[in-house]
Amino acid sequence: AAGVIQSPRHLIKEKRETATLKCYPIPRHDTVYWYQQGPGQDPQFLISFYEKMQSDKGSIPDRFSAQQFSDYHSELNMSSLELGDSALYFCASSLVGTASGNTIYFGEGSWLTVV
Amino acid sequence: DAKTTQPPSMDCAEGRAANLPCNHSTISGNEYVYWYRQIHSQGPQYIIHGLKNNETNEMASLIITEDRKSSTLILPHATLRDTAVYYCIVRVVRTGRRALTFGSGTRLQVQP
Repeated sequence: AAGVIQSPRHLIKEKRETATLKCYPIPRHDTVYWYQQGPGQDPQFLISFYEKMQSDKGSIPDRFSAQQFSDYHSELNMSSLELGDSALYFCASSLVGTASGNTIYFGEGSWLTVV
Repeated sequence: DAKTTQPPSMDCAEGRAANLPCNHSTISGNEYVYWYRQIHSQGPQYIIHGLKNNETNEMASLIITEDRKSSTLILPHATLRDTAVYYCIVRVVRTGRRALTFGSGTRLQVQP
């Protein structure tokens, strides 16, 4: 079965640069979630989108922004990168209103290293 | 969403059942119990979820107490590949769009 696809899988950026992560949800899923997981930490929710509109907002820094496009893929844009932004970034997706209880499925993540 | 409490770590012998407990004493009537696991630096993997009835799938069983204040995830025959951090999460599903809030989880080590 198709899963959540994230790209790139690995990214190295310098401080103050900008990075963009992409997420392609499971086909027909209409909700996308972004999470950040720092070294040795648990995943932290950043932001989510439903039907291309922002749905929930977590602990997303002001330097970060995200959007969901008409084909439901999503992009997370991170500017003025700091060393502390080095983390594993997960995208997840779900389909609202299904008998499966709106289960959320995760991608394999994108590793961002800021040097 | 209700807060959950899990033991930080557990060991289990390979081939034996692994029983992972979770307390969610403040759970509301419209909150489901979800279990996910994360094998080192991989994406969290959905295992199972339930509202008030016990549930079973090909991966695990979920036992929810009658008062719904606690639950147990059971891996019937643990293998080395089940070594992971297991997260118990309660989540309101009614709106269908609520994100998952991860707590600290239980680090399960399956021993050969």
